[in-house]
Amino acid sequence: DSGVTQTPKHLITATGQRVTLRCSPRSGDLSVYWYQQSLDQGLQFLIQYYNGEERAKGNILERFSAQQFPDLHSELNLSSLELGDSALYFCASSHTSGREFAKNIQYFGAGTRLSVL
Amino acid sequence: DAKTTQPNSMESNEEEPVHLPCNHSTISGTDYIHWYRQLPSQGPEYVIHGLTSNVNNRMASLAIAEDRKSSTLILHRATLRDAAVYYCILRTDYGGATNKLIFGTGTLLAVQP
Repeated sequence: DSGVTQTPKHLITATGQRVTLRCSPRSGDLSVYWYQQSLDQGLQFLIQYYNGEERAKGNILERFSAQQFPDLHSELNLSSLELGDSALYFCASSHTSGREFAKNIQYFGAGTRLSVL
Repeated sequence: DAKTTQPNSMESNEEEPVHLPCNHSTISGTDYIHWYRQLPSQGPEYVIHGLTSNVNNRMASLAIAEDRKSSTLILHRATLRDAAVYYCILRTDYGGATNKLIFGTGTLLAVQP
């Protein structure tokens, strides 16, 4: 158990809809990261938050947004869903976002499997 | 981040050692070598990391070539639970580095009973 909790585990929805994925980081971790894993693109970084502020952005679509709340949990909002958004979405957390990237360890949740029909 | 090259797949027998190679010929002096693995239906899991010297932990050993252009993740006694995709990732603190992990395609390790 990594200590990172993601809900829901599975989500089935229709095209055009909006969903929210939730992540609770490990106790004490200030950074939260979101990754998307699809069959054709592999594991890709979407966005990072550190202590409530956006810190880095990857290949995140404009239809997607995220936030980190004062209690450090994070939500990833996906809107106007398309079939191609079907994927596994992982949240990870780490203790620091400082400058120590090279030694930083990220702990991943079990993921949310999104199916867009 | 510098690029890594790994074999697409490898096979091992249970209870035998496994050596998973990774080539990173363009590695810079500030790059750390990280390994993560992803078990079926689970999120990625940190395994080990190192800079220049060989490293051991409870999960595995990391052997780093003297020129640092390649490294090998060693599982001393493979179990069925070690069947996973193993990712070799380089991380640096400098040159516009960010905290994101850049995953390649990894090596799919199959363990036979």
